[in-house]
Amino acid sequence: AQKVTQAQTEISVVEKEDVTLDCVYETRDTTYYLFWYKQPPSGELVFLIRRNSFDEQNEISGRYSWNFQKSTSSFNFTITASQVVDSAVYFCALSEPYNFNKFYFGSGTKLNVKP
Amino acid sequence: NAGVTQTPKFQVLKTGQSMTLQCAQDMNHNSMYWYRQDPGMGLRLIYYSASEGTTDKGEVPNGYNVSRLNKREFSLRLESAAPSQTSVYFCASSEVWDRDSNQPQHFGDGTRLSIL
Repeated sequence: AQKVTQAQTEISVVEKEDVTLDCVYETRDTTYYLFWYKQPPSGELVFLIRRNSFDEQNEISGRYSWNFQKSTSSFNFTITASQVVDSAVYFCALSEPYNFNKFYFGSGTKLNVKP
Repeated sequence: NAGVTQTPKFQVLKTGQSMTLQCAQDMNHNSMYWYRQDPGMGLRLIYYSASEGTTDKGEVPNGYNVSRLNKREFSLRLESAAPSQTSVYFCASSEVWDRDSNQPQHFGDGTRLSIL
């Protein structure tokens, strides 16, 4: 069965600090996709990134970076020089192999960035 | 640019009442989904519809029914609401995507449902 674990329930940092959100997943399959979504206080879910299991390259997008390591089944998300607008709940998700319509979300990490 | 529209945004029901949550998307997506979000549990898939005319159970389908009315609309029905169904419900849609697609799901703003 697929499972996503985000052990950090809530993290508080001061603006400009770097912060890493952890995501560990479980799957028996070799083909799968991983995602990160952001849910700001307004409530909508915003897609951030998708990564497939064939591609272990890390990715950087502005202040955001993602570290995908199949050996440890982790897909961690780092925000560099955090800003107050980064305050949100962040979800990691895994899609079911060969049925990409089925998603499994982690319980989310609430990030508080204080000025 | 409406995207995914959910109605209503808020609703309070009494135990045993029935209710249909509406969802419509204007992006011509084939796939549509219903999730519920509970504190500390993230989002859980209730039902999905991979294409018009098909529906399938997700992780937590008990107590719900769905209808894919047409390509645009996917409704979620609670026949006899229970307090355990108090939650925030999200509808989402996506194109049938391949390994190179970048934006798998678009979400609505959610419906906050309280059952007393």
